[in-house]
Amino acid sequence: GAVVSQHPSWVICKSGTSVKIECRSLDFQATTMFWYRQFPKQSLMLMATSNEGSKATYEQGVEKDKFLINHASLTLSTLTVTSAHPEDSSFYICSARDPRPRAYGEQFFGPGTRLTVL
Amino acid sequence: GENVEQHPSTLSVQEGDSAVIKCTYSDSASNYFPWYKQELGKGPQLIIDIRSNVGEKKDQRIAVTLNKTAKHFSLHITETQPEDSAVYFCAAAAGYSTLTFGKGTMLLVSP
Repeated sequence: GAVVSQHPSWVICKSGTSVKIECRSLDFQATTMFWYRQFPKQSLMLMATSNEGSKATYEQGVEKDKFLINHASLTLSTLTVTSAHPEDSSFYICSARDPRPRAYGEQFFGPGTRLTVL
Repeated sequence: GENVEQHPSTLSVQEGDSAVIKCTYSDSASNYFPWYKQELGKGPQLIIDIRSNVGEKKDQRIAVTLNKTAKHFSLHITETQPEDSAVYFCAAAAGYSTLTFGKGTMLLVSP
């Protein structure tokens, strides 16, 4: 399958600071990427859909001013958690949709980023 | 919108046994059904998927079946091994729409 990377794999920050998470598709150009949040022992919750060169589409209940998404290139999307608070602590996972004909739009996930806000 | 139900939430089997996880979906427009395996602390890994133009797909010890009429699809793992232990998620989507995930099944394979 295709390879999607995330950086950092884990981050600990103080309350009130901002944290940026990068998501890269390594072997294909992804016009669409997705950001998910996952709480312990729960399923994946879609936060937003990121399209290259346009504004992200946020799911209902997700604060767009708090979770800033930028998809500036076909291989990179970033999620910035602004003014982080302890309740933002979670596992954040990105995925990228493979647009190549043989992939039929399959989504491949990154390894995730564990955010802990103190 | 789409709703995906997944059962069971936990499944324990002995090594070598088969494991079956079932999912149902609500949106008849859904035509893409992937399965993901997630190990602790890692991102989900696509293990197999099926589209609505076929009823079954196999890849070595893993198979997925789809019943469009009943709106359900299942993951079958044969000859389970301890390394198959993980959380498995089913998902459904219509075309290139966003994936809707089930709540997950924790599979435990005992040696």
